[in-house]
Amino acid sequence: AQTVTQSQPEMSVQEAETVTLSCTYDTSENNYYLFWYKQPPSRQMILVIRQEAYKQQNATENRFSVNFQKAAKSFSLKISDSQLGDTAMYFCAFMTDLTTSGTYKYIFGTGTRLKVLA
Amino acid sequence: DTEVTQTPKHLVMGMTNKKSLKCEQHMGHRAMYWYKQKAKKPPELMFVYSYEKLSINESVPSRFSPECPNSSLLNLHLHALQPEDSALYLCASSLQPGPSSYQPQHFGDGTRLSIL
Repeated sequence: AQTVTQSQPEMSVQEAETVTLSCTYDTSENNYYLFWYKQPPSRQMILVIRQEAYKQQNATENRFSVNFQKAAKSFSLKISDSQLGDTAMYFCAFMTDLTTSGTYKYIFGTGTRLKVLA
Repeated sequence: DTEVTQTPKHLVMGMTNKKSLKCEQHMGHRAMYWYKQKAKKPPELMFVYSYEKLSINESVPSRFSPECPNSSLLNLHLHALQPEDSALYLCASSLQPGPSSYQPQHFGDGTRLSIL
């Protein structure tokens, strides 16, 4: 069974600085997808960034980038130039291959609560 | 603005009440999901509908009854709930997969449910 682990329950960072959130996962699949979602206090889950396992190049999205280490099964999120609006719960998510039901399943990590300090 | 709309945003009900949560999307997505999320915890998958058919039920108690009347709507009917069912209920949708596509989910704002 696949698992997703986020070992940092809480983190804080000063505004304008850089922070890295860690995520590790376990799977026997070779092709899969990984995501980082953000859930601010307003509670809507928002997709931050995604990575296809078959792509070696790390995904970037403006101030957000990932360090994807497939062999180590690691998928960390780096936030550069942190902003107050980045304060939120961050979930790492793994998307499984098609299940026998013909549907993808998503497995979420336990989350990291990030607080950006002024 | 969210592309997945959930109503109501808040719901307080007694254990003997019957109520329904609604979810709507008009993005042409054919997979829709219900999640339950407790405070400071990740979302837990409850149900998945694929092309309006229930494809995954994660052993959810029968007091939760999902329904997908068409490709844009997803309901969750509630009856005889327990206090431990109080949580945020999130709806999400995604495109049905092609051979090499990724499937990010689009989430609604959720319904905050409180059982008295």
